[in-house]
Amino acid sequence: EVQLVESGGGLVQPGGSLRLSCAASGFTFSDFWMTWVRQTPGRGLEWVATIKPDGSEKYYVDPLKGRFTISRDNAKKSLYLQMNSLSVEDTALYYCVRAILSVTSYWGPGTLVTVSS
Amino acid sequence: QSVLTQPPSASGTPGQRVTIPCSGSSSNIGRKTVQWYQQLPGTAPKLLIYNNDQRPSGVPDRISGSKSGTSASLAISGLQSEDEADYYCVGWDDSLNAVVFGGGTKLTVL
Repeated sequence: EVQLVESGGGLVQPGGSLRLSCAASGFTFSDFWMTWVRQTPGRGLEWVATIKPDGSEKYYVDPLKGRFTISRDNAKKSLYLQMNSLSVEDTALYYCVRAILSVTSYWGPGTLVTVSS
Repeated sequence: QSVLTQPPSASGTPGQRVTIPCSGSSSNIGRKTVQWYQQLPGTAPKLLIYNNDQRPSGVPDRISGSKSGTSASLAISGLQSEDEADYYCVGWDDSLNAVVFGGGTKLTVL
């Protein structure tokens, strides 16, 4: 059974950092493009970043370039999102997504990030 | 504002056919495929349509997708109360080098 389980969310102060993780199981992780998507009530679904199966290419939404870094460890079947200089606008539910533009798309349940003083 | 444009809401009565449009441009829908996701309250989005008009296994055939030019649409016929959800169109934009979402359409079954 395919599973994606996000972790690492929580409450952080403005200006702080957080590292999200996504543990994959039930499929060959190293075969798939992986993506982070976030969701807020006001802004709906927002694409954050995508990484190629071998990690050699990474794509980011322009406003987050330089603050967020996507990475993966295929040996550990894990996806990561390092988030720095967080602001209240980064408060969202963050989803780990397999192959977002494909028939093999699969989403994790998400991890909540709250940026507040 | 989202790169792909959807109406914020749509509604219909049980048994009716409802269509949800998604408008884009030549750099996204005009040259790339469109996907549609359904999000039930409190759950993660679920793929409904891929490659403009293809249904993953398990999605009923009363749900269909189409694309023409720079626009796409999702149609749900024989509307049921369980179809009440948020629906999102998604694609790739060649100019932005980005995954782009529609703003989502909340479907209400009256």
